[in-house]
Amino acid sequence: EPEVTQTPSHQVTQMGQEVILRCVPISNHLYFYWYRQILGQKVEFLVSFYNNEISEKSEIFDDQFSVERPDGSNFTLKIRSTKLEDSAMYFCASRFGLAGTDTQYFGPGTRLTVL
Amino acid sequence: DQQVKQNSPSLSVQEGRISILNCDYTNSMFDYFLWYKKYPAEGPTFLISISSIKDKNEDGRFTVFLNKSAKHLSLHIVPSQPGDSAVYFCAASGPMHSKTSYDKVIFGPGTSLSVIP
Repeated sequence: EPEVTQTPSHQVTQMGQEVILRCVPISNHLYFYWYRQILGQKVEFLVSFYNNEISEKSEIFDDQFSVERPDGSNFTLKIRSTKLEDSAMYFCASRFGLAGTDTQYFGPGTRLTVL
Repeated sequence: DQQVKQNSPSLSVQEGRISILNCDYTNSMFDYFLWYKKYPAEGPTFLISISSIKDKNEDGRFTVFLNKSAKHLSLHIVPSQPGDSAVYFCAASGPMHSKTSYDKVIFGPGTSLSVIP
């Protein structure tokens, strides 16, 4: 069964460093998302991406964050200058997008630890 | 801003019995509801969904009921198995196919289900 994959599974970085989290969505899906879950808190929406542009972003997704789909398969989340409070599980999700196919499927997550 | 609420943080059920997980929402614009199951350090795994045009959807041991007038949905698992022990997230989104799209999924805080053998 097709699935969303994410790399790395765990990323440790120093505060102020840039990180890139990578995702390979399900191959025929058209909509892509990033969510995060800080330990002990809810899963929160960060950004949605469709047709090579951001379609919606949350207030968490400030200028330090960016997303890119550099080729036909990868979808990346970049954090330019990490802060301690960016430590969280980051989940990528994708959705096919046609009527009746509204379910978002999630990857296993990347645990980001900022020291 | 709790648009999706799960008021029971935890639930314990005996193996073989029914598990009922409840969820309430406040945003009447939601038109698609999902249940995800999550193990620690893993991503949410899709379980079952329901569109607002339905009031029930069944998939094997899992049934989701939607009461739009009460803005309430529930997930029934019967019979419950020890492997069902996980955190269950209720989630909502929509409307998908309009200009004002609530494309993102809004998650509830989760209910931790323990199925006791």
